[in-house]
Amino acid sequence: AQSVTQPDIHITVSEGASLELRCNYSYGATPYLFWYVQSPGQGLQLLLKYFSGDTLVQGIKGFEAEFKRSQSSFNLRKPSVHWSDAAEYFCAVVTNDYKLSFGAGTTVTVRA
Amino acid sequence: GAVVSQHPSRVICKSGTSVKIECRSLDFQATTMFWYRQFPKQSLMLMATSNEGSKATYEQGVEKDKFLINHASLTLSTLTVTSAHPEDSSFYICSAAGLAGGGSGNEQFFGPGTRLTVL
Repeated sequence: AQSVTQPDIHITVSEGASLELRCNYSYGATPYLFWYVQSPGQGLQLLLKYFSGDTLVQGIKGFEAEFKRSQSSFNLRKPSVHWSDAAEYFCAVVTNDYKLSFGAGTTVTVRA
Repeated sequence: GAVVSQHPSRVICKSGTSVKIECRSLDFQATTMFWYRQFPKQSLMLMATSNEGSKATYEQGVEKDKFLINHASLTLSTLTVTSAHPEDSSFYICSAAGLAGGGSGNEQFFGPGTRLTVL
């Protein structure tokens, strides 16, 4: 079955430092992949998505992700984090009938 | 575009009562809506998928008589938690899928969530 794995449960990064969140997928064909961010008590906000085409995807809030078929990965990056980037980040893949399978999430803490 | 609303955002109820949560797609027609449940510090777990005008499809382990889902129109789905108990306390999130904002139909647009607390 299609699924995603987020290996890192919690990441702490200094403000201004770069951030990379890992996501590995399991899917036979070209997957539809998403990254969402969730602030405490809030719903999900879409950061970016990959359906096809250019493997480097630009998103909102300065985030980008790169689809690497050879590594079955779709890692999220940001060159310089801001304190407001502290949140929960979810990678997800579309399985079938529009269903989304979410990773376990990565909590990002930003220290001053 | 592609805005999904949920109402209420927060509800507290007594054990044994029923609670209805509404999910609306405000600016597009949602052919499919999804209901998720999220426990603290955990990921979203899909509860059920509903298509307008037909019965919802529930994921394994989700009691359909406990969590009643109605998708009466292309812009509204409701989740009713019947005879709620404290273990039903959770964050419930809906999403809607459709050809919104030039999307492919494979994209889901999420509501802001409803925090249910059962006393």
